Amino acid sequence: AQSVTQPDIHITVSEGASLELRCNYSYGATPYLFWYVQSPGQGLQLLLKYFSGDTLVQGIKGFEAEFKRSQSSFNLRKPSVHWSDAAEYFCAVGISGTYKYIFGTGTRLKVLA
Amino acid sequence: DTEVTQTPKHLVMGMTNKKSLKCEQHMGHRAMYWYKQKAKKPPELMFVYSYEKLSINESVPSRFSPECPNSSLLNLHLHALQPEDSALYLCASSHVGNTEAFFGQGTRLTVV
Repeated sequence: AQSVTQPDIHITVSEGASLELRCNYSYGATPYLFWYVQSPGQGLQLLLKYFSGDTLVQGIKGFEAEFKRSQSSFNLRKPSVHWSDAAEYFCAVGISGTYKYIFGTGTRLKVLA
Repeated sequence: DTEVTQTPKHLVMGMTNKKSLKCEQHMGHRAMYWYKQKAKKPPELMFVYSYEKLSINESVPSRFSPECPNSSLLNLHLHALQPEDSALYLCASSHVGNTEAFFGQGTRLTVV
C-alpha cells in the first residue's frame, strides 16, 4: 500500500541551527515527491518537488531535499533556520494517473529565539 | 501568477443555511481539487475535477455539492451541514498528471 511517514510530530530548533525533517514513503514506482509548508490558518505552500533527475533538489526559502531511492526517503533540509520558518511541514507523494496525493501526518517546527 | 484565490476566508453558518465556497485560478490548470483539513491533520481529498468534469468523489456526503462552471472556477455548495463539518476547506489546482498542486489560503468554516 502507498503511504508517507513523517516520524517526527514535533521538532524544536534554535534560530540559526540546521534543520532536517524526515520523510519516508512506500510506493511501487518512481514517485512524484513534494514538500509543503503551512502556517497556522493558512493554505499549503509548495517548497520543492522531485519528479526525476538530480536527486538533490533546491526549493524556495533556502530549503533543499534529497531523494534516496535505496532508503525510500525524501528528507528536507535547511542549513540555518529563521524564526519565520516555524510552521507545519507536510511531505506528499503524487500517485501517478490518479490525481491523488498522499500526505504525511506533518511535522510541526518550533524555532527558539 | 501562481495564485489560487478562495473566498470567503471565514464563514460561520447555521445547520439550516445554504452557502457556497468559491475558488479561482488563472494558471491554465485543468485539474481542480477540494480538500478538507481538520486541526493538526493533513488535508483530506474530497473532490477532483478534470477538464471541468467530476473525476473523483471520495464518498463525500451529499450536503457538499461541487460545481465547476469553467476551467478557472470551482465552487463548493454547502447545505444542512453538521458541526463536525467545521474545518479549513482548501482548494487546489494543478496541471493534469500529478504535477505539483497549488493551494489557496483556505476558507475557515464554522458550523453552529
